[in-house]
Amino acid sequence: SQTIHQWPATLVQPVGSPLSLECTVEGTSNPNLYWYRQAAGRGLQLLFYSVGIGQISSEVPQNLSASRPQDRQFILSSKKLLLSDSGFYLCAWSRGGLTDTQYFGPGTRLTVL
Amino acid sequence: GDSVTQMEGPVTLSEEAFLTINCTYTATGYPSLFWYVQYPGEGLQLLLKATKADDKGSNKGFEATYRKETTSFHLEKGSVQVSDSAVYFCALSEVDTGNQFYFGTGTSLTVIP
Repeated sequence: SQTIHQWPATLVQPVGSPLSLECTVEGTSNPNLYWYRQAAGRGLQLLFYSVGIGQISSEVPQNLSASRPQDRQFILSSKKLLLSDSGFYLCAWSRGGLTDTQYFGPGTRLTVL
Repeated sequence: GDSVTQMEGPVTLSEEAFLTINCTYTATGYPSLFWYVQYPGEGLQLLLKATKADDKGSNKGFEATYRKETTSFHLEKGSVQVSDSAVYFCALSEVDTGNQFYFGTGTSLTVIP
């Protein structure tokens, strides 16, 4: 069976500090991978998606970036966090594209102070 | 641009009551529509989906019909149970006009015995 892991579960970081959130998928190969963010009072927003190693599409311009160094690893990064980066970050995977079922990780709660 | 609008919660119902959670969308192409659910302490998971107009998605007693004429995808269940207490997200994916995926803000449902 497939599983998706995210860490850390919670994170408190000062403004201006770097960020690295990691997501890994087990039990499948060549998945489509996604990063979402949910800010307070807002719906989930698609940030990045990837159809393969090194292939990243950005949906929203921001100070975040994503990388996919391995087939089942997806990393969300920032060089300098802003207060507005606070939120709940979810990683997801699917076998097919965006019309296919997505399977979500447990999420990371990021608070930027 | 594309968007999803969900009825605001929280919603509190007695067990065996009828449930409707409204969802309307705007889209430039022909989107696929989804309902995702997040049970307490669990990750987000797909509840049902519909990929074209007049399709009805159903799962666990829940139903939603893709209505193109009213741009709606309302979630319904005839008799809710305490175990249905969760947060429900309506979502839209559109690949015709660029890969996009949008979630609503979520509706919290509490079912009381």
